[in-house]
Amino acid sequence: GENVEQHPSTLSVQEGDSAVIKCTYSDSASNYFPWYKQELGKRPQLIIDIRSNVGEKKDQRIAVTLNKTAKHFSLHITETQPEDSAVYFCAATPGYSTLTFGKGTMLLVSP
Amino acid sequence: NAGVTQTPKFQVLKTGQSMTLQCAQDMNHEYMSWYRQDPGMGLRLIHYSVGAGITDQGEVPNGYNVSRSTTEDFPLRLLSAAPSQTSVYFCASRPGGSANTEAFFGQGTRLTVV
Repeated sequence: GENVEQHPSTLSVQEGDSAVIKCTYSDSASNYFPWYKQELGKRPQLIIDIRSNVGEKKDQRIAVTLNKTAKHFSLHITETQPEDSAVYFCAATPGYSTLTFGKGTMLLVSP
Repeated sequence: NAGVTQTPKFQVLKTGQSMTLQCAQDMNHEYMSWYRQDPGMGLRLIHYSVGAGITDQGEVPNGYNVSRSTTEDFPLRLLSAAPSQTSVYFCASRPGGSANTEAFFGQGTRLTVV
């Protein structure tokens, strides 16, 4: 089955800095890669996703890049704000099965 | 739309007791899954289903049973609760097949086994 590795496990940045979270996956058949944000005590919610026929996708301050050859994808958050503080999860799936998640990254944005 | 609904939100069990965590979705999604979330361990898959009558084991299935008699419902049964099952449980659903899109999560169940 799929295996997803996520780094770093914690990331501390100053407000206004950029943050980058990286994930690798093992199943070359995986073709859908979502990113979830989970605030304390809440459920995970989708913030951005990318499919394997696209190399990069951007939504305001958030972007995701995908390198299929190297089997890795990354989340980029620019101009970070305190409200970006949360746990972020990457995930992957070949589509005919469920999502496999990374272990999560706790992002702390200091004012 | 209610989305994915989990009950209860909180539960305390004694070791050896059994219980069922309920999960229902109203989006006609084929795929449903149960995850448990523990500090530093991320979201680990317990069991999943790709359609009514079809279930399969995930990464950490021991001590749990599931069934999928309808598209809407996917209950998770703890057979004999153990302290190691203290965790936050999330149910999730997503469209199946070619509709390869996001999973929607329920609000979670915080379970404590004493």
